[in-house]
Amino acid sequence: QSVLTQPPSVSAAPGQKVTISCAGSRSNIGSNYVSWYQHVQGTAPKVLIYENNKRPSGIPDRFSGSKSGTSATLDITGLQTGDEADYYCGTWDSSLSADWVFGGGTKLTVL
Amino acid sequence: QVQLQESGPGLVKPSETLSLTCTVSGGSISSYYWSWIRHPPGKGLEWIGYIYYTGSTNYNPSLKNRVTISLDPSKIQFSLRLSSVTAADTAVYYCARLAAGGIGHWGQGTRVAVSS
Repeated sequence: QSVLTQPPSVSAAPGQKVTISCAGSRSNIGSNYVSWYQHVQGTAPKVLIYENNKRPSGIPDRFSGSKSGTSATLDITGLQTGDEADYYCGTWDSSLSADWVFGGGTKLTVL
Repeated sequence: QVQLQESGPGLVKPSETLSLTCTVSGGSISSYYWSWIRHPPGKGLEWIGYIYYTGSTNYNPSLKNRVTISLDPSKIQFSLRLSSVTAADTAVYYCARLAAGGIGHWGQGTRVAVSS
């Protein structure tokens, strides 16, 4: 059972928009930066969003992140078949000690 | 450009200790949390623990009794030891550089199977 809650799966057609949610609590999302990772099986995860809404160089602006209170979202617009992957949110959790926590992951299917 | 590379055995026997090393190149070991993360088959990413550049450590409570992460600044390497392994520890293990804003750099991952 993950500390951060994500939907197990989302799907949409090419060109459409999808939103992936990440729900947490005051001790994690509510008081720390959120980041998002794309994980294609057999490769290393890749950071898409860091510090809630910043994109590393090379990440297209089709990917955007936001945070409000104890929840965060990842939006992907102009879906491409190459976007099929697992997506994870992550943040610090300061409830007992400075742990790092991931969401359970969301499988994106581009129909 | 910072790069991380895991190394270690790909097969460990049950009840033995899994040992992996991560070599960092292209950057300093200072000011970051050097982390181990794993991906068991069919499951999500799991944070194992980190060592700060000062040497302080923090581990996932579910693994705390079996995990040790150490740092060798002179070699710019950090290591993972996971004792008393079982089949449930079979996973792809990643080393990563963690900061306040997230994980910016990952190793390519190394697959470790626990089997006799």
